[in-house]
Amino acid sequence: DTEVTQTPKHLVMGMTNKKSLKCEQHMGHRAMYWYKQKAKKPPELMFVYSYEKLSINESVPSRFSPECPNSSLLNLHLHALQPEDSALYLCASSQSVLNTGELFFGEGSRLTVL
Amino acid sequence: RKEVEQDPGPFNVPEGATVAFNCTYSNSASQSFFWYRQDCRKEPKLLMSVYSSGNEDGRFTAQLNRASQYISLLIRDSKLSDSATYLCVVRFGDTNAGKSTFGDGTTLTVKP
Repeated sequence: DTEVTQTPKHLVMGMTNKKSLKCEQHMGHRAMYWYKQKAKKPPELMFVYSYEKLSINESVPSRFSPECPNSSLLNLHLHALQPEDSALYLCASSQSVLNTGELFFGEGSRLTVL
Repeated sequence: RKEVEQDPGPFNVPEGATVAFNCTYSNSASQSFFWYRQDCRKEPKLLMSVYSSGNEDGRFTAQLNRASQYISLLIRDSKLSDSATYLCVVRFGDTNAGKSTFGDGTTLTVKP
């Protein structure tokens, strides 16, 4: 079982909806990540949080808004998405951004935008 | 040129075969190297970290050649359950702290 928990597992939303994806880890990790993965492609980094502060934004459109309320939680707020944003959204964590150890992934939230 | 390049595959092999995947990376400042396995519609899971001295875990052997900027994964005695996509992952240290770059993945199908 993964130690990074994501909810919901599946989400269908219209282009005018506002929704949020949630991620939680209790491993004491201080780095958390959002990745986007399209079919038959590798995960693409979106955001990195280090000690609850945003450290990397890979030029992600503002319709995706990340939030890190505390060291265990990471949210991704979605608003006015486009059909091409349909993808698997993966949350990951690691000990810290400077510790180049492994990433631990959640099972992902599969998003469909109609 | 992509930062991390993998054998494009797909690899279709019979059970019991030995198969090798290769991966090259372009950034000499890369610090950590991993092989992840991803099953269809699932999240990536760590298969092995890759060390300069090489490392082995059962039927799996990973090797790193820093001079050639190349890593490899060898799977011996392939099982049906080894069918998956294998992702080469490179992590950076200080200058790009927090970034991991994924190869495009190599798909392996092991057939009876």
